[in-house]
This record gives sequence, structure tokens and C-alpha cells, in this order.
Amino acid sequence: QSALTQPASVSGSPGQSVTISCTGTTSDIGTYTLVSWYQQHPGKAPKLVTYDGFKRPSGVSNRFSASISGNTASLTISGLRAEDEADYYCCSQAGRNTFEFGGGTKLTVL
Amino acid sequence: QVQLQESGPGLVKPSETLSLTCAVSGYSISSGYYWGWIRQPPGKGLEWIASIYHSGITFYSPSLKSRVTISMERSKNQLSLKLNSVTAADTAVYFCARDISASGAFEYWGQGALVTVSS
Repeated sequence: QSALTQPASVSGSPGQSVTISCTGTTSDIGTYTLVSWYQQHPGKAPKLVTYDGFKRPSGVSNRFSASISGNTASLTISGLRAEDEADYYCCSQAGRNTFEFGGGTKLTVL
Repeated sequence: QVQLQESGPGLVKPSETLSLTCAVSGYSISSGYYWGWIRQPPGKGLEWIASIYHSGITFYSPSLKSRVTISMERSKNQLSLKLNSVTAADTAVYFCARDISASGAFEYWGQGALVTVSS
């Protein structure tokens, strides 16, 4: 059982926006606000899409944006595309140099 | 371009020690950054195992700390992971990765190595 709670699944149509939530506690997201989001296609390694709350690595589309409010982090994908269909994981610092992942959310593009 | 490649036995017997290495190319692990190991049981989510700073300082998941050792072999530019007293619950794909921000932001990943624990 993951310490960070994500919805098991979300869905959206091409062109729409979807938001995936990641709920933690004051022991992780609420204190450190250093949340990363990963996209993972089947059989592949995860890909970092946002980090440190809202930053994007070089080369990641600006359709991916992240935010934090209280103990909850959110990833928003705008202009949904078929290739966005994947599993998404949040990751938060949970103590001095320790980290925890959420349980993952399956995004379906209808 | 930074590249990481995990290697090790694909099958480990229960109660024995799982040993993996991660060869890094395109960057010297002694130069900077945190480096980590993450695993993913078949069909399940990601779990952070441990990280090591380029200086050699180590950090472990509280749930695995008693069984895990992460280290680096600078001369070979590679990382190592040892997990002892394994059980079937340790069956997973094991990834090594580079953390670009010391915050769990793993930007570069290996392709992963499947390790099955079975007699």
C-alpha cells in the first residue's frame, strides 16, 4: 500500500485536459513540496515529466504541468493525445533524502 | 548522452542475496548527482529502494534498510545494489537512475533488469 494516494484510472478524449491527483500527508508533500511525476508506457522505463513541484525537464512538452496545494499534488495534461495513454506515478520526498511513490494512475485516451 | 545499464542474475533463490550492477556511460558518477535504485514488481507500482550521492553518502528506504546496500565502484563507473534474505516479494524489475535534483527526480533510467526469486 502506497503512502501517496492516486486514482486508479482517469480518462479523457483527444484535445481535452485531464488532471491526476496525488494525495499525501504533512510528512511528505505537505512538508517537502518536492514532487516529481513520471509517465510509464508498458514495458518501458519511467520518464520524468515534471519535478520539484512544477519544473519540466528539457524536451518535455509544455502540455504537462504540475502544481501543489496543501498535501495534494496534481499533474495536468492538456491537449490530450493518443501517445499520452500510459501509467503515471507521483513521487515525493518523505523525509531527509528518502522518497516514496504513489500507486500509479492509468490514463486512457478515449 | 547519459546511459545506464543494469545487469545481474535473473534468478535468485529465496533467502539468498540479490546482486545487481548498473554501468553508467556518458558521465562520471564521481562528478556529481544522486544515483538511485527503484524497483517494480510485475504488474505493480514503483518503489524507491536507495540512493547514493557522488560523495558516497547513502540513503535507504525505511522498509528495506535492514537488507539493502547501495555502493559505487568509481574505477568502473558503476553502481551496485545488494539485497539480502530475499523472498518472492522481492521479484521485480530493478531500475537504476540518476536524480537530477536530489529530490526523487530521476531523469535518466536504465532499461531495467527482471529478477525473479524462486527455488
